[in-house]
Amino acid sequence: EDQVTQSPEALRLQEGESSSLNCSYTVSGLRGLFWYRQDPGKGPEFLFTLYSAGEEKEKERLKATLTKKESFLHITAPKPEDSATYLCAVQAWGGGADGLTFGKGTHLIIQP
Amino acid sequence: DSGVTQTPKHLITATGQRVTLRCSPRSGDLSVYWYQQSLDQGLQFLIQYYNGEERAKGNILERFSAQQFPDLHSELNLSSLELGDSALYFCASSAGEGVDEQYFGPGTRLTVT
Repeated sequence: EDQVTQSPEALRLQEGESSSLNCSYTVSGLRGLFWYRQDPGKGPEFLFTLYSAGEEKEKERLKATLTKKESFLHITAPKPEDSATYLCAVQAWGGGADGLTFGKGTHLIIQP
Repeated sequence: DSGVTQTPKHLITATGQRVTLRCSPRSGDLSVYWYQQSLDQGLQFLIQYYNGEERAKGNILERFSAQQFPDLHSELNLSSLELGDSALYFCASSAGEGVDEQYFGPGTRLTVT
């Protein structure tokens, strides 16, 4: 069974204080690893897809990296508007399903 | 705005009742996915349709069913509702099969009383 574990569950940072969120995964064969951002009461917003170990992607203050067992979402000099829950998900080969397996997320608060 | 629309935004109903949630995918997307999000379980994949055909099932209860119509919109039917079915229900769409990003709608909040 595919599993995704995110840590920490919650993180409070000061504006400008860089940090990293962790996503550990167990999957029979990784097709893709996805990062989403979710604001309260809203649908998840797509951020990145990573396909293979060593891959990195960046968008504004966010950078996602992937190894064979985990992914990191690095947040550089965050601003209050970066406050949200960040979700990690995996998609596996086999089984005929394209559905994503999600972690429970990291609730990030950036204080001004 | 992801381009995925869902109706209604909120739904309040009683135990034992049946409801239908509706989703319109992004223009051109052939795959539709349904997910349930509750506080204790997180986001869980329920079912996928591709171009009108059921593609895969996840953790979907037998009381739940879905379909995708020729115009590619999808409906999720929930019957014999229980208190534990109260959750946010999201629809997502993607261009096709395989490894491509899924874009989520705004969700329907279902409250069963």
